[in-house]
Amino acid sequence: NAGVTQTPKFQVLKTGQSMTLQCAQDMNHNSMYWYRQDPGMGLRLIYYSASEGTTDKGEVPNGYNVSRLNKREFSLRLESAAPSQTSVYFCASSTLNFLDRGSYTFGSGTRLTVV
Amino acid sequence: AQSVTQLGSHVSVSEGALVLLRCNYSSSVPPYLFWYVQYPNQGLQLLLKYTTGATLVKGINGFEAEFKKSETSFHLTKPSAHMSDAAEYFCAVTDSWGKLQFGAGTQVVVTP
Repeated sequence: NAGVTQTPKFQVLKTGQSMTLQCAQDMNHNSMYWYRQDPGMGLRLIYYSASEGTTDKGEVPNGYNVSRLNKREFSLRLESAAPSQTSVYFCASSTLNFLDRGSYTFGSGTRLTVV
Repeated sequence: AQSVTQLGSHVSVSEGALVLLRCNYSSSVPPYLFWYVQYPNQGLQLLLKYTTGATLVKGINGFEAEFKKSETSFHLTKPSAHMSDAAEYFCAVTDSWGKLQFGAGTQVVVTP
């Protein structure tokens, strides 16, 4: 089924460890996004990539880096994990079509715990 | 800047009763407004959206929302709740570049 695939689904890290969250979409979308979801705070944008070759910071970028590997793949890296980064991470994609802006396809999420 | 405020973090409704979830927005440009739904342990999926034109928007699973510019509101309703409507609902608004700004979410519990 076409959609957005995130790996891994679950991860436990120790403080200071690094890891990369993977995201791939087969929707032929140009734009991709990383959000984190925390209780009572909704979803907050970490980084986004409007199109292949570009990335920009969102609302909460500190402690994260991203790579837009190609049109399909957009990865999120935690260089030195902290307990404050315990969260559920969602990747999403959308077209560049102005009339379709805001209509995202989401992955099923990565639940990350930093101890 | 764009923002949304969802009134009520938890709503409990009886099966068959009206579901009403409140959302107010702030936007410096004509808004595109959205409701997304998240079922347990899943990602978000689009329920409905308002772009331009008709202010009453119908979505999936019998939900609808009305855009009221004078009240800066975009409340979500469903006439008769079903057990399968138990989920978290997010109101969102886009900026002119298509980035979504989400509200804090409203958890809906449906009781028999």
